[in-house]
Amino acid sequence: DAGITQSPRHKVTETGTPVTLRCHQTENHRYMYWYRQDPGHGLRLIHYSYGVKDTDKGEVSDGYSVSRSKTEDFLLTLESATSSQTSVYFCAINPGGSSYNEQFFGPGTRLTVL
Amino acid sequence: GDSVTQMEGPVTLSEEAFLTINCTYTATGYPSLFWYVQYPGEGLQLLLKATKADDKGSNKGFEATYRKETTSFHLEKGSVQVSDSAVYFCALSIQGAQKLVFGQGTRLTINP
Repeated sequence: DAGITQSPRHKVTETGTPVTLRCHQTENHRYMYWYRQDPGHGLRLIHYSYGVKDTDKGEVSDGYSVSRSKTEDFLLTLESATSSQTSVYFCAINPGGSSYNEQFFGPGTRLTVL
Repeated sequence: GDSVTQMEGPVTLSEEAFLTINCTYTATGYPSLFWYVQYPGEGLQLLLKATKADDKGSNKGFEATYRKETTSFHLEKGSVQVSDSAVYFCALSIQGAQKLVFGQGTRLTINP
């Protein structure tokens, strides 16, 4: 158990509304990540963080923003949700920041945008 | 750019059959290679890894060997069980990049 929780676990929202997903870790790891999982695409990196207030974009960052004001929390925000953002979102941590980049994943949040 | 290609699924086998899921990669540096497994309704779990050429990762009866000459990291198990039904993802990481690149996943179903 990597001590990662995500909230909410399920959410249904309407197009145009803002949505924030939360990832919480209990072990003060430096690196945290947000992915989305879609059929036929595997997991794709949205944003990641390498410390408090230090974030960078992944391959599918358009329409998403992130914030990390505390080591333990990494927030993903959809400013104005669209139907194309319906997906399962996973948070991950890299416990050592090691050169091998071994990552451990949270349970996921299923988001539906109507 | 760096990429991972997995065999198309879904794959359906009978219990006790031999399993191979193919994975090949393209990378600019010297990647570490991983297999992750996702059981229904859950997040991804690290199944095994290999960090340099000719390394063999193994766990829970699964094995994969890092083949630099064929840029491959095929997942194998000698005798599958119903409980192995899941989606399997191959992934790579380039040293220093702090990112994982995933294949598209292969859904495996084992019938009793």
